[in-house]
Amino acid sequence: AQSVAQPEDQVNVAEGNPLTVKCTYSVSGNPYLFWYVQYPNRGLQFLLKYITGDNLVKGSYGFEAEFNKSQTSFHLKKPSALVSDSALYFCAVRGLYNFNKFYFGSGTKLNVKP
Amino acid sequence: GAGVSQTPSNKVTEKGKYVELRCDPISGHTALYWYRQSLGQGPEFLIYFQGTGAADDSGLPNDRFFAVRPEGSVSTLKIQRTERGDSAVYLCASSLTGEITGELFFGEGSRLTVL
Repeated sequence: AQSVAQPEDQVNVAEGNPLTVKCTYSVSGNPYLFWYVQYPNRGLQFLLKYITGDNLVKGSYGFEAEFNKSQTSFHLKKPSALVSDSALYFCAVRGLYNFNKFYFGSGTKLNVKP
Repeated sequence: GAGVSQTPSNKVTEKGKYVELRCDPISGHTALYWYRQSLGQGPEFLIYFQGTGAADDSGLPNDRFFAVRPEGSVSTLKIQRTERGDSAVYLCASSLTGEITGELFFGEGSRLTVL
């Protein structure tokens, strides 16, 4: 079965510091991995995805993510956090045998303090 | 419109009532998805349409839930005999063709509260 895990319910960082939001996946075969962000009372917005190729993927708003096959991880990173980055972040993997489905993690709340 | 539009944004109903939630996908997107997001959880898959047909409805929790997309554009999620456990945010998403490498574009959701 395919799944992702986000081990941290909440991440707190100071503005200007680097941030990491963790995600590990469980899927047989090559995974298709995605990060989404959800602001309060808003829908999910796509940030970036890993399909194949370079392990470092760059996305919207200065975010990037590193695919690590040996550690089955796809951590979201940003070199310098902004207060406006404070939101709920979801990692997702597309189903391998049923690619109609995205399997989402439980989300990580990012708090960036001034 | 430019994005996925969902109505109503909020719906409060009483246990046992019937509810319809509407989704208007991005123009030209053939693939449409419904997800349900409970408090503190990630979205969970309900149903997927490719064109007018429900290609995968394996996520619908029971036969009280039904969805249609009669003309291949707007979709309606229908919930009969609502229960308090149905309270959640119902998210609609679309993608251009449903290709495996494509991302989903989500609407802002319809928050359903069953009293």
